Amino acid sequence: GQNIDQPTEMTATEGAIVQINCTYQTSGFNGLFWYQQHAGEAPTFLSYNVLDGLEEKGRFSSFLSRSKGYSYLLLKELQMKDSASYLCAAVDSNYQLIWGAGTKLIIKP
Amino acid sequence: GAVVSQHPSRVICKSGTSVKIECRSLDFQATTMFWYRQFPKQSLMLMATSNEGSKATYEQGVEKDKFLINHASLTLSTLTVTSAHPEDSSFYICSARDPDRHTEAFFGQGTRLTVV
Repeated sequence: GQNIDQPTEMTATEGAIVQINCTYQTSGFNGLFWYQQHAGEAPTFLSYNVLDGLEEKGRFSSFLSRSKGYSYLLLKELQMKDSASYLCAAVDSNYQLIWGAGTKLIIKP
Repeated sequence: GAVVSQHPSRVICKSGTSVKIECRSLDFQATTMFWYRQFPKQSLMLMATSNEGSKATYEQGVEKDKFLINHASLTLSTLTVTSAHPEDSSFYICSARDPDRHTEAFFGQGTRLTVV
């Protein structure tokens, strides 16, 4: 079956760095997304990786290892507004998005 | 970036009535749109895939006669919750893909449905 695993909840301190991991098992693979979702709002796009390696975009970076079925989202210089759920979604061979349950990130002052 | 507009953003309806939610792709043509439901503190659950000009594909456990999906044009898909019950209260989100921008899914703003 297809499966996405990510931690349910993480806590970090304002100004620090946090890494949110995601492992996936899909029928075929056509890339992996990270989305941010604040409570009561729709998800917003953060990143898309299809090749191995790290992609940096400001304070956020995303890493992919296709051979390991593994990705992480790295958030630097954490701000209180970064408190949100972070959703990992892999794209299978049919270009369907397989969603993880999301990681709730709590930022403390 | 591509924009997907969904409305209403909030709706309260009486038990037994029907509610229609619209999802529009504003600056691209979407042959496929997706409808999700999200309960509090849970992830997105795909309900159905809406295909322009053909019948929607429903996920297992989703009643197609209760959640009517119409995708009559390349820019509009609608979800109608028929004979709504309090347990249908949830956050409904649509998404669409711009076929010219790889596989990124653009989301509507979501609709908070409360059935009283």
